[in-house]
Amino acid sequence: AQSVTQLDSHVSVSEGTPVLLRCNYSSSYSPSLFWYVQHPNKGLQLLLKYTSAATLVKGINGFEAEFKKSETSFHLTKPSAHMSDAAEYFCVVSDRTWDYKLSFGAGTTVTVRA
Amino acid sequence: EAQVTQNPRYLITVTGKKLTVTCSQNMNHEYMSWYRQDPGLGLRQIYYSMNVEVTDKGDVPEGYKVSRKEKRNFPLILESPSPNQTSLYFCASSPGTGLNEKLFFGSGTQLSVL
Repeated sequence: AQSVTQLDSHVSVSEGTPVLLRCNYSSSYSPSLFWYVQHPNKGLQLLLKYTSAATLVKGINGFEAEFKKSETSFHLTKPSAHMSDAAEYFCVVSDRTWDYKLSFGAGTTVTVRA
Repeated sequence: EAQVTQNPRYLITVTGKKLTVTCSQNMNHEYMSWYRQDPGLGLRQIYYSMNVEVTDKGDVPEGYKVSRKEKRNFPLILESPSPNQTSLYFCASSPGTGLNEKLFFGSGTQLSVL
């Protein structure tokens, strides 16, 4: 069975500085990996996904993530934070077995200081 | 507009009083799923459905029921709600199995059981 660990429950950055959200996963198979964002009082929105193509994945709003199999990591980055990036971020893994289940991380809350 | 619609947005009820949270999608998606979100735990899957009349348990199905009589609707039923079911609930849908494709989320239902 798969699982995912988000290493930081809360990240605080200044506007214009880089953002790094860390995610480690475990999977018995070749995983699919996703990052979702949740703004206050909203549903989740897909930022990007990895499904065994290029290991560097570009998403919406300037975010990107790199799949590193040797480190079992899928960290999310953005070069320059914007106030609108303040939200909760979830790393999600699926090992694409027959139980059709996704595993969500506990989430990382990002605050952006002016 | 393509969307997943949940109702109600907020619900306060008392222990033991049966309730239904509705979920409808207008994208002809095969896959639908229910999640609950609790602080520090991320999202946990309650039930999912691969197609009409096909449902299966997720990670936390106890105390919940679902049905999938039509492709577009996937209601969540709490026959006898208890305070530990106080949570934020999300319905989601996906065109495929939900493992490789984007999940489309509803706006959520905040349930309080007194």
